[in-house]
Amino acid sequence: QVQLQESGPGLVKPSQTLSLTCTVSSGSIDSGGYYWSWIRQHPGKGLEWIGYIYYSGRTYYNPSLKGRLIMSVDTSKNQFSLKLSSVTAADTAVYFCTRGVHYSDTSASIIYYFDYWGQGTLVTVSS
Amino acid sequence: SYELTQPPSVSVSPGQTASITCFGDELRNKYASWYYQKPGQSPVLVIYENTKRPSKIPERFSASNHGNTATLTISGTQTMDEAEYYCQAWDSSTYVVFGGGTKLTVL
Repeated sequence: QVQLQESGPGLVKPSQTLSLTCTVSSGSIDSGGYYWSWIRQHPGKGLEWIGYIYYSGRTYYNPSLKGRLIMSVDTSKNQFSLKLSSVTAADTAVYFCTRGVHYSDTSASIIYYFDYWGQGTLVTVSS
Repeated sequence: SYELTQPPSVSVSPGQTASITCFGDELRNKYASWYYQKPGQSPVLVIYENTKRPSKIPERFSASNHGNTATLTISGTQTMDEAEYYCQAWDSSTYVVFGGGTKLTVL
């Protein structure tokens, strides 16, 4: 089955850029129909969707993070990445990479859900 | 922006039926998914496309979506079902939205 693994620094200083990479195994990142997402969870809180990227490079970002967020994909390495700039303590969270399944029904309503998740990586923003 | 609202907590006795609700404006016109998350673990998909179960999810998990409320039902709840449960949907303006989560206690 598909496996996802996050990697990157666990500690980032305020105002700097948080960078994470997700490596996908047992599945190809350029398989159609899958949108590769980042989701975060603040300590003791719920889930917050950050954004997703298609293998073509098309992106959708959470409007609340737009402007600080850049996602990219490297199909040759079967990886996708996240860069979040100008971080503050409010960006301290566990970051999950996930595989999103995205399609439409006959009336063009969108079905979107996450079927595979990485184990998550804690990123702390602190000086 | 679109929001999904869940009760913070639900309690159920072992063997009984647990129901967890997720409220959103005209949610019936969207597709709801459900996840559970145990402490220190990643979320696990239990329901997608309102009512469908992934193959590895037990039949005791079912769901519906009517009106403004999606409901996850766990029949014959087991102690292993104790977890945080999240609903999720897609909205055309907000994109991916999660509910705030419901802690299911089995006691």
